[in-house]
Amino acid sequence: DTGVSQDPRHKITKRGQNVTFRCDPISEHNRLYWYRQTLGQGPEFLTYFQNEAQLEKSRLLSDRFSAERPKGSFSTLEIQRTEQGDSAMYLCASSLTGTQDEKLFFGSGTQLSVL
Amino acid sequence: KQEVTQIPAALSVPEGENLVLNCSFTDSAIYNLQWFRQDPGKGLTSLLLIQSSQREQTSGRLNASLDKSSGRSTLYIAASQPGDSATYLCAVREQLSFGAGTTVTVRA
Repeated sequence: DTGVSQDPRHKITKRGQNVTFRCDPISEHNRLYWYRQTLGQGPEFLTYFQNEAQLEKSRLLSDRFSAERPKGSFSTLEIQRTEQGDSAMYLCASSLTGTQDEKLFFGSGTQLSVL
Repeated sequence: KQEVTQIPAALSVPEGENLVLNCSFTDSAIYNLQWFRQDPGKGLTSLLLIQSSQREQTSGRLNASLDKSSGRSTLYIAASQPGDSATYLCAVREQLSFGAGTTVTVRA
């Protein structure tokens, strides 16, 4: 169990550019979640996958955002035509359904700064 | 829509004092409630998870209670230490809703 890993840790980009983040969940976990967190706020749910299927998307996830989990393992979150309001910490979490408690385990996040 | 509130937003205590952190939620139809700790600029570390059928969970100096009927959970941290300084967040599922957190400072 190596934990949830996210790459990169930090990303600085110019407004209008596209960015892509990667998340590797805990290997046996079938659920994967993406959250966004701004300073002083709790994480806001964006979307989640069960295996490769994207089961739910928040209304926060505009059409500039797309997430994939093609083989049911790692996931990518892409933001197209970034805006300054996209600056935030993007957190990934994973869990295993069918277990007694189904705890969420989080990665360290990707801090995005849009200039 | 599930609303999760954590009060107070910030708390400062001297070392050794017990901490009481509150979490309230509007929809009692929850699957479970999980408490997390977050250090500045870092991800979230799971502390305790309480199933909807449980009343409390304990781990070391931490104890979390759940009262679904009143929409409340409380996290108790006994004999606080400076290393407990962090932001504590609660999250309720299935709606995957987080509170904004309580930032705790334990003064040596």
